[in-house]
Amino acid sequence: NAGVTQTPKFRILKIGQSMTLQCTQDMNHNYMYWYRQDPGMGLKLIYYSVGAGITDKGEVPNGYNVSRSTTEDFPLRLELAAPSQTSVYFCASSQSGTADGYTFGSGTRLTVV
Amino acid sequence: AQTVTQSQPEMSVQEAETVTLSCTYDTSESDYYLFWYKQPPSRQMILVIRQEAYKQQNATENRFSVNFQKAAKSFSLKISDSQLGDAAMYFCAYRRYGNKLVFGAGTILRVKS
Repeated sequence: NAGVTQTPKFRILKIGQSMTLQCTQDMNHNYMYWYRQDPGMGLKLIYYSVGAGITDKGEVPNGYNVSRSTTEDFPLRLELAAPSQTSVYFCASSQSGTADGYTFGSGTRLTVV
Repeated sequence: AQTVTQSQPEMSVQEAETVTLSCTYDTSESDYYLFWYKQPPSRQMILVIRQEAYKQQNATENRFSVNFQKAAKSFSLKISDSQLGDAAMYFCAYRRYGNKLVFGAGTILRVKS
């Protein structure tokens, strides 16, 4: 059982470039989330989805976009990368309304130079 | 909005000793869940322990236990017989039923041999 898979694990972008961080889960979870973690800090919610076709903004959505065309996939798009987007990005999923917390991916370390 | 506060940016413990990490939260809800996550240098987010607010009994998982004080909105993590592998960043998190996790800023735990 793979759980939550994120790709790539590392990436360096130049200012102004765009990229998509991929996230897929095989647990048939309804809820999926994208968080960013800045150095020495906690996780801040970027976007989340409660099911296919439904997405909503979190705490820090500016500069990002998401889509949820299937239950399994929840890609995060960065448009016009900026140094402020240098961070570690985590994708996570959960069953709706359960006490199990999240299942996290292993993270993507993104550096914008 | 719910907030989670971890007042200890960093803690140290001697191997085999006991350490307690603090967490307080702010909510007007009566039914919710609380979690402790461990993030070792590998970056992987690992669920350590969870507590359901309606349960009076404190959760325990092997060497990890919590002191849940609902009226005081306090949720501390006690690690007994600390091991070198316990060294990590620890995050406290709050979740209302069906809703998204809110994380504290984290506490770095260092274990001395």
